[in-house]
Amino acid sequence: KQEVTQIPAALSVPEGENLVLNCSFTDSAIYNLQWFRQDPGKGLTSLLLIQSSQREQTSGRLNASLDKSSGRSTLYIAASQPGDSATYLCAVYQGAQKLVFGQGTRLTINP
Amino acid sequence: DAGVIQSPRHEVTEMGQEVTLRCKPISGHNSLFWYRQTMMRGLELLIYFNNNVPIDDSGMPEDRFSAKMPNASFSTLKIQPSEPRDSAVYFCASSPSSYNSPLHFGNGTRLTVT
Repeated sequence: KQEVTQIPAALSVPEGENLVLNCSFTDSAIYNLQWFRQDPGKGLTSLLLIQSSQREQTSGRLNASLDKSSGRSTLYIAASQPGDSATYLCAVYQGAQKLVFGQGTRLTINP
Repeated sequence: DAGVIQSPRHEVTEMGQEVTLRCKPISGHNSLFWYRQTMMRGLELLIYFNNNVPIDDSGMPEDRFSAKMPNASFSTLKIQPSEPRDSAVYFCASSPSSYNSPLHFGNGTRLTVT
């Protein structure tokens, strides 16, 4: 059974810092991996999708990497801003369109 | 693009009552998903549909839960009878039928069963 783990569960950093969020998964047979952002009281917003054949994806200040063999992904946020404060979740496509989610990392950027 | 629309946003009901949650997916999306989110268990997939057909309902916790998708633009998740442990945020999401398409989530329905 696929398990997705995100460490740390919470992270607080001052504005302007670069930071890395971690995601690990137990079964490397995945189709792709997605990173989402969730704001309080809202649904999830897809940030980046990395296909299984890719190593990384970039969107603006965000860069996500994928190492299938080691079962790891990272989300790098450059020059963090208070508006980046949210919960970040990673999820892997196990197959048959079933996304398995991690528990998320709650990120706080302090002005 | 109006996004995935869920209703109601909040639902408070008493134990034993029937609850119906509604979802309108993004037009043109062929796959629809129902998720439940709790603090203890995180996000769990309950059921998903492809082209209005239920494909996998193995995440539906009990027979008290049922879901339908009568057409491409509407789906319901019903709980009958409801119990306090059903209290959670229920999300609907949709995507084109492709493993390499991102999932689009609605804002969820917060259900409280007293």
